[in-house]
Amino acid sequence: QIQLVQSGAEVKKPGASVKVSCKTSGFTFTSYTISWVRQAPGQGLEWLGWIAADSGYSNYAQKLEGRGTMTTDTSTSTAYMELRSLRSDDTAVYFCARGSLFYCTTGVCYGPEDYWGQGTLVTVSS
Amino acid sequence: DIVLTQSPGTLSLSPGERATLSCRASQSVSSSFLAWYQQKPGQAPRLLIYGASTRATGIPGRFSGSGSGTDFTLTISRLEPEDFAVYYCQQYGSWGTFGQGTRLEIK
Repeated sequence: QIQLVQSGAEVKKPGASVKVSCKTSGFTFTSYTISWVRQAPGQGLEWLGWIAADSGYSNYAQKLEGRGTMTTDTSTSTAYMELRSLRSDDTAVYFCARGSLFYCTTGVCYGPEDYWGQGTLVTVSS
Repeated sequence: DIVLTQSPGTLSLSPGERATLSCRASQSVSSSFLAWYQQKPGQAPRLLIYGASTRATGIPGRFSGSGSGTDFTLTISRLEPEDFAVYYCQQYGSWGTFGQGTRLEIK
């Protein structure tokens, strides 16, 4: 069956970095995209970006202000999201999710997220 | 960037009633790249609808999506107890963005 299993909860100090992993199984990793979405406590969903698992092509939300980097390791079917210069408002549950990859009028596009990881709580606190 | 605005913020209905949730985009959503998700407390979101009107695998027929351009609607024809949750619309494609959500609560 299709699974996305994320790494465990993290506690970080302001200014530090965190790297969340998302190990996938049950599908051909290189044929899909991985999106990252976060949810602050009691708040809605915030889209962070997506990456094509094979090529590494990616798009990021402007709000990340260049602090985030998404990568994939095709040898282990694992995706990663690193966030640097952490602030207290980065405290959230971070989700990875699988999406389709297709070509659209603007180039390469990603499709809606049909399978999700269980979420990783990242707490930023001094 | 496209901004998605969902209404109402909270919808109070009883089981068996019909629910209509709205999602309005600040500019036209290309090729109807619009999806709807359901989220229950402590769980990851669940894809319900994509392409504005196509039900995802395993989603019951009481869920339907419609709309194009800037105005989209999720309709739940007859509410079941398990349908009370938060619903999000999402634009996808080159970039993504979510609406702020509609909370569907039991009246």
